[in-house]
Amino acid sequence: EPEVTQTPSHQVTQMGQEVILRCVPISNHLYFYWYRQILGQKVEFLVSFYNNEISEKSEIFDDQFSVERPDGSNFTLKIRSTKLEDSAMYFCASSEARGVGANVLTFGAGSRLTVL
Amino acid sequence: AQSVTQLGSHVSVSEGALVLLRCNYSSSVPPYLFWYVQYPNQGLQLLLKYTSAATLVKGINGFEAEFKKSETSFHLTKPSAHMSDAAEYFCAVSGAGSYQLTFGKGTKLSVIP
Repeated sequence: EPEVTQTPSHQVTQMGQEVILRCVPISNHLYFYWYRQILGQKVEFLVSFYNNEISEKSEIFDDQFSVERPDGSNFTLKIRSTKLEDSAMYFCASSEARGVGANVLTFGAGSRLTVL
Repeated sequence: AQSVTQLGSHVSVSEGALVLLRCNYSSSVPPYLFWYVQYPNQGLQLLLKYTSAATLVKGINGFEAEFKKSETSFHLTKPSAHMSDAAEYFCAVSGAGSYQLTFGKGTKLSVIP
C-alpha cells in the first residue's frame, strides 16, 4: 500500500538552529500538508500546499516556517531558527484531490523534533 | 470555525468487551468527520469517515461510528475489543472546501487481557 515517508524519525537540535524535515508524499497525490503535535496536546494544522504554493496556513505557521517542494518527490518543512516551543511531532500528509467530498489525508509516521 | 472534543484521554476495556470512544464536534458548516488511529511509532491511519451519506459508517478492523446531528456526536464503537486495538484514536472534522482537519486531543485505548 502506498505510504507517506518522513525523515528523520527523530532530530535533536539546539535552540536557534535551522531544521529541515523531509517528506515523500504518495506519488499521485497533489495536495501536501504539515501538521504538528506538541506532547500531550492536539494534532494541529500548520500548512497545506498545492501547485507549488501555500493554499492555507494556520496562525502557527509564522515567518520562521517555510515549505518547499524542491523536486518532483520531496516536500520539506524548514524551521529557520528553532525555539524550545517548536519541540513536537511533525506529521506530513498528502491527498489525492480536494474534490467535492471529504478530503482523505494519508499521514506519515512523523518526525519528532526536540529543541534543547 | 470547527472544533472537536474527545471525552476521556484514556479508556481501558477488557478483551472481548464493547469499545466506545466519544467524539463531539462543533462546526458552522456541514461537517465531514473522521476517525484516525495511531499505533506506536506509526502514522495516523484512517479508520473511517462520514461524508453526508449514510449516518452509520463502517470502517476497518470492525469499527463503526454513527453521525448524530442532533447530538453533534460521532462516537466510535466496536462490539468486541481485541488486543491489537490498543492504540491512540483521534476524531477529526473538516468542512466542505477546507484543506484543514481539526483534531481532537486523542483517546488512548488500552485492552486488558
